[in-house]
Amino acid sequence: EADIYQTPRYLVIGTGKKITLECSQTMGHDKMYWYQQDPGMELHLIHYSYGVNSTEKGDLSSESTVSRIRTEHFPLTLESARPSHTSQYLCASSEYSLREQYFGPGTRLTVT
Amino acid sequence: KQEVTQIPAALSVPEGENLVLNCSFTDSAIYNLQWFRQDPGKGLTSLLLIQSSQREQTSGRLNASLDKSSGRSTLYIAASQPGDSATYLCAVRSAGNTGKLIFGQGTTLQVKP
Repeated sequence: EADIYQTPRYLVIGTGKKITLECSQTMGHDKMYWYQQDPGMELHLIHYSYGVNSTEKGDLSSESTVSRIRTEHFPLTLESARPSHTSQYLCASSEYSLREQYFGPGTRLTVT
Repeated sequence: KQEVTQIPAALSVPEGENLVLNCSFTDSAIYNLQWFRQDPGKGLTSLLLIQSSQREQTSGRLNASLDKSSGRSTLYIAASQPGDSATYLCAVRSAGNTGKLIFGQGTTLQVKP
């Protein structure tokens, strides 16, 4: 059973605020991913990491940034939130790049 | 560019019925394909991972098939139950790719008691 956690689960915040979405996993996985999902739409990869100090941008352009200082932790930051950032953000991890990905419960972000 | 399409977008069936969800992809050079379940407002639960060299995978009442050459996969659910109501997502991982999944938009299933 996968153990991957995201906080907060829900966040409503005003325009211009800085926010950090947390993601952590206890499986020791090197590979971690952030996906964005708008309501009724498919998931799009926005960031990924192959290990500590390794981060790459995904297929969908995003104004967010990520860091990977510890294996188990992969936070996502928005320096200045805007209404266009309203979406669900899902974090995932896998043992190897081509193996099964395990997902966290997601953070539903609303920017007013 | 890989594109994944799922048909139908929504499906409503009575309890006990067997059903098939469809997934198609444009580039047959995939490494594997993963089916997920997503409950409203929740994350994704992995159901089945099928490698490109495999034809099918089974888990309980679920059976996933893969025809790589035609760019198709199906998820068969036997004896559906109200608890199966959810959105089912198909995602492919392309060969030579670095683990990134390309997702379809999903099929939202409702099983009525």
